[in-house]
Amino acid sequence: AQKVTQAQTEISVVEKEDVTLDCVYETRDTTYYLFWYKQPPSGELVFLIRRNSFDEQNEISGRYSWNFQKSTSSFNFTITASQVVDSAVYFCALLTGYSTLTFGKGTMLLVSP
Amino acid sequence: EAGVAQSPRYKIIEKRQSVAFWCNPISGHATLYWYQQILGQGPKLLIQFQNNGVVDDSQLPKDRFSAERLKGVDSTLKIQPAKLEDSAVYLCASSGTGFLNEKLFFGSGTQLSVL
Repeated sequence: AQKVTQAQTEISVVEKEDVTLDCVYETRDTTYYLFWYKQPPSGELVFLIRRNSFDEQNEISGRYSWNFQKSTSSFNFTITASQVVDSAVYFCALLTGYSTLTFGKGTMLLVSP
Repeated sequence: EAGVAQSPRYKIIEKRQSVAFWCNPISGHATLYWYQQILGQGPKLLIQFQNNGVVDDSQLPKDRFSAERLKGVDSTLKIQPAKLEDSAVYLCASSGTGFLNEKLFFGSGTQLSVL
């Protein structure tokens, strides 16, 4: 069975702080994909990144970076110099060849001015 | 490019009533998904269409939920009769080709409250 755990229910930071959102996944499949989506107050989920199980390279996109470690089954997401516009719920999700996209419960990030 | 359109934005009904949600995916997107998102949870897939055929409806409560995608474009999700536990946000998403690992484009959802 596939499972995604986002242990942090809510995180509050002050603008310009760095923040890391944790994601731990479980699967027995060797081929899988990991995703991060952002859900702002408007409601629609917005795709941020996709990573396949054979690519452990970390990725940086502007203020966003992702750290994928198969050894610990983690795919953590870091926002550098957070901004108020980063306030949203962030979901980590897992996709394998034998299951539909499985989302974690999400982490609500509140960035205050 | 227009995004995924959903209506209504909010709906309040009493238990045992019926309700329908509508979704118009991004133009040209072959694959359409309906997700249920209960407060404090991540979205859960209800049904996936590829064009107008059902790919996966294993988690759809078929005794009360139904969905159709006529002509492979718009889709309607219906609940009849509604239960209190159906209170949730119903999200529609679409993707271009339906490849498993393709990113999804989501609508803003319909927030359903069953009283």
